[in-house]
Amino acid sequence: GIQVEQSPPDLILQEGANSTLRCNFSDSVNNLQWFHQNPWGQLINLFYIPSGTKQNGRLSATTVATERYSLLYISSSQTTDSGVYFCAVRTGGFKTIFGAGTRLFVKA
Amino acid sequence: DAGVIQSPRHEVTEMGQEVTLRCKPISGHNSLFWYRQTMMRGLELLIYFNNNVPIDDSGMPEDRFSAKMPNASFSTLKIQPSEPRDSAVYFCASAGAVSTDGYTFGSGTRLTVV
Repeated sequence: GIQVEQSPPDLILQEGANSTLRCNFSDSVNNLQWFHQNPWGQLINLFYIPSGTKQNGRLSATTVATERYSLLYISSSQTTDSGVYFCAVRTGGFKTIFGAGTRLFVKA
Repeated sequence: DAGVIQSPRHEVTEMGQEVTLRCKPISGHNSLFWYRQTMMRGLELLIYFNNNVPIDDSGMPEDRFSAKMPNASFSTLKIQPSEPRDSAVYFCASAGAVSTDGYTFGSGTRLTVV
């Protein structure tokens, strides 16, 4: 089956810093999402981005489907950005495969 | 819309007891998913339904697990009998027919089997 790899596995930032999270996938996908799991365990949908670039405030994402990767950019990080960021892909139907996540801690 | 609603939020039960988790998807969504999250295995898809019909239950770990979706607004995940290794957070998610926005997750049920 498709493999989803996220990097880095862990990231510590000083508040105000920028960061880039990466998601590589091993096969063609027709759906890609980025999720944020906050410290309380809630999974929040950040972007639905099978291709192209989207921006939402300090966050933006780019997926290059032909090269099988997606990037999540966090600018001017805040402590509330802490948590785990998941990339999830779908190759057909509705079965979605999640990566292992990037655990982010933003220090005040 | 209130989003995907799961109940209970927390469940503590003794080994051997039956556990039923509940989920109400977003109105109008026709796909529903049950996931389990543990530290060791991350997020695992257990089963998903499309138009109330189970499409893929290959992720259901054992016969002790069963899921139903009797109508478009309600689904249950049942574990009988429960075991300590079933302790995890169980998430329900739903998606619409035209997935321009992808999945929406519920808040999860934290299950502890002692």
